[in-house]
Amino acid sequence: AQKVTQAQTEISVVEKEDVTLDCVYETRDTTYYLFWYKQPPSGELVFLIRRNSFDEQNEISGRYSWNFQKSTSSFNFTITASQVVDSAVYFCALSEASVKGANSKLTFGKGITLSVRP
Amino acid sequence: NAGVMQNPRHLVRRRGQEARLRCSPMKGHSHVYWYRQLPEEGLKFMVYLQKENIIDESGMPKERFSAEFPKEGPSILRIQQVVRGDSAAYFCASSPKGGLAGINEQYFGPGTRLTVT
Repeated sequence: AQKVTQAQTEISVVEKEDVTLDCVYETRDTTYYLFWYKQPPSGELVFLIRRNSFDEQNEISGRYSWNFQKSTSSFNFTITASQVVDSAVYFCALSEASVKGANSKLTFGKGITLSVRP
Repeated sequence: NAGVMQNPRHLVRRRGQEARLRCSPMKGHSHVYWYRQLPEEGLKFMVYLQKENIIDESGMPKERFSAEFPKEGPSILRIQQVVRGDSAAYFCASSPKGGLAGINEQYFGPGTRLTVT
């Protein structure tokens, strides 16, 4: 069975601080996909990134960066120079590969509430 | 390009009534997923559908809940004889068909907040 653990429940930082959100996953599959989603106070879920299990390259997108390490089953998310607009709940999710042409359900962690104070 | 549409955004039902939640996927997406978010919990998968076909319903409660995605029209999540414990946010997501590059990311709608009184 697949599982995602986000051990941090709430993080509070002051604007311009860097913050790292941790994500640890469990799966028996060798092919799987990892995701991060953002849920701002308005409630919608915003897709941030998808990473497959064969691609361990770290990724940077503006102030966002992701560190994928298969050896520790972790897919951590860092926000550099945080801003008030980054305040949201962040979810890490895992999906195991399915038959070709089909997709698969997402298993979410419980989310991390990030508060960025001015 | 419109995103995933869900309606209604808020729904209030009395115990014992039926709730119908609608989801129109993004243009070009043929796969739909339903998730439920209970207070203080993360999102839990309920069901995955393609047109006229249920692919995975491993997360659906055995009774009172059903889902469909007809050939024409939106996907419907139906909850019969609602109880207070059904109060939650219900999110629909859609994605294109999976391909050689693997599975695709899911794009979420704004959710339907169901309140059972």
